[in-house]
Amino acid sequence: KAGVTQTPRYLIKTRGQQVTLSCSPISGHRSVSWYQQTPGQGLQFLFEYFSETQRNKGNFPGRFSGRQFSNSRSEMNVSTLELGDSALYLCASSFSGTMNTEAFFGQGTRLTVV
Amino acid sequence: AQSVTQLGSHVSVSEGALVLLRCNYSSSVPPYLFWYVQYPNQGLQLLLKYTSAATLVKGINGFEAEFKKSETSFHLTKPSAHMSDAAEYFCAVSESGSNYKLTFGKGTLLTVNP
Repeated sequence: KAGVTQTPRYLIKTRGQQVTLSCSPISGHRSVSWYQQTPGQGLQFLFEYFSETQRNKGNFPGRFSGRQFSNSRSEMNVSTLELGDSALYLCASSFSGTMNTEAFFGQGTRLTVV
Repeated sequence: AQSVTQLGSHVSVSEGALVLLRCNYSSSVPPYLFWYVQYPNQGLQLLLKYTSAATLVKGINGFEAEFKKSETSFHLTKPSAHMSDAAEYFCAVSESGSNYKLTFGKGTLLTVNP
């Protein structure tokens, strides 16, 4: 079956703009998590959604937001982009989001802010 | 609060040699522990996970890890390195009860020399 699909794969934005990233989970998966990966900070948890509800949120400013639709697809939005937002954004899906279920990661969206 | 320390940001081995990647964790409750691998420009792939069953966990591609509670460690090993093992490896922890939030270590880049 198809894996986790993230679009777009690459994105270049200017400081001050906003951006929306998309994640389509594996069919049947209802949990979607987002992570930011940078060389300096490594992999950091952004938020997790299950059945359209945000269940957990990491320590990021309010400029970072997300949502999940009824078909489990998820989007994350970053407003007022800063240079430091340049990163690889990874989405992971799992069946239920519990610790016993495996999370499958997408290939990520590489965001460059100039 | 949970945390993960990976000793050695870069490990270099010869093809056929033992691979040992170190991971120590901090958790206030019995943790779930994971090892992920990331190839260039790719997402993360699960190698193996510990979920309080057997302390010696076998994963894909010949990797295994042993959970040692007394040492708070979960080191990853492979008896004989292949060139295809060259990648970045991440150890991650999730505390029971957390809504699928993974806390990652900084990663270890494995180089395999011919």
